[in-house]
Amino acid sequence: DIQMTQSPSTLSASVGDRVTITCRASQSITSWLAWYQQKPGKAPNLLIYKASSLESGVPSRFSGSGAGTEFTLTISSLQPNDFATYYCQQYYSYPWTFGQGTKVEI
Amino acid sequence: QVQLVQSGAEVKKPGASVEVSCKASGYTFTNNYLHWVRQAPGQGLEWMGMINPSGGSTRYPQKFQGRVIMTRDTSTSTVYMELSSLRSGDTAIYFCARQQQWLGHFDYWGQGTLVTVSS
Repeated sequence: DIQMTQSPSTLSASVGDRVTITCRASQSITSWLAWYQQKPGKAPNLLIYKASSLESGVPSRFSGSGAGTEFTLTISSLQPNDFATYYCQQYYSYPWTFGQGTKVEI
Repeated sequence: QVQLVQSGAEVKKPGASVEVSCKASGYTFTNNYLHWVRQAPGQGLEWMGMINPSGGSTRYPQKFQGRVIMTRDTSTSTVYMELSSLRSGDTAIYFCARQQQWLGHFDYWGQGTLVTVSS
């Protein structure tokens, strides 16, 4: 199975900060990576797919980059609505796997 | 608009089985694979498997082989996930999620169903 490791696990930040979350795969997944945002009590919401493609309707302050085994999610200017937990997910090979999550808190 | 609407919360005893449903609307049901993902309290996301609504074929990770069965009813555009031999560690929110047709990521999610396993 492909292991996905996110860092950090928790991130403390302020409104307006630039935030970067890293996701590493235990083997190459080319660009088959998605990022999701999840708020308490809600289903995850797709932000980025194929490593760097922004889902329709997602604010442009979110961006994704990387390929192979190392990926990043960047929020260019953190907004109050962005405090949430973020997950990466690989869909290169079965079983599909998620990172453990990064909680972005105030 | 695409919607995935799941069945309501369940409370089950250890050893029992649970079936959760996910009714799809707003798109052609047979065009997109549907997946199940669960989340234990305070924990991360765990992929449980997938079903192709067109032919009914399924794929499950090793962890759930023999304990999970996913089925579909094309007449009602509904998929079902049955998990058997429940234990306390199966207490979680269970989500269905639609796979984007060509690229594989999850573009729509159900609202989640809480399954509580308790004696």
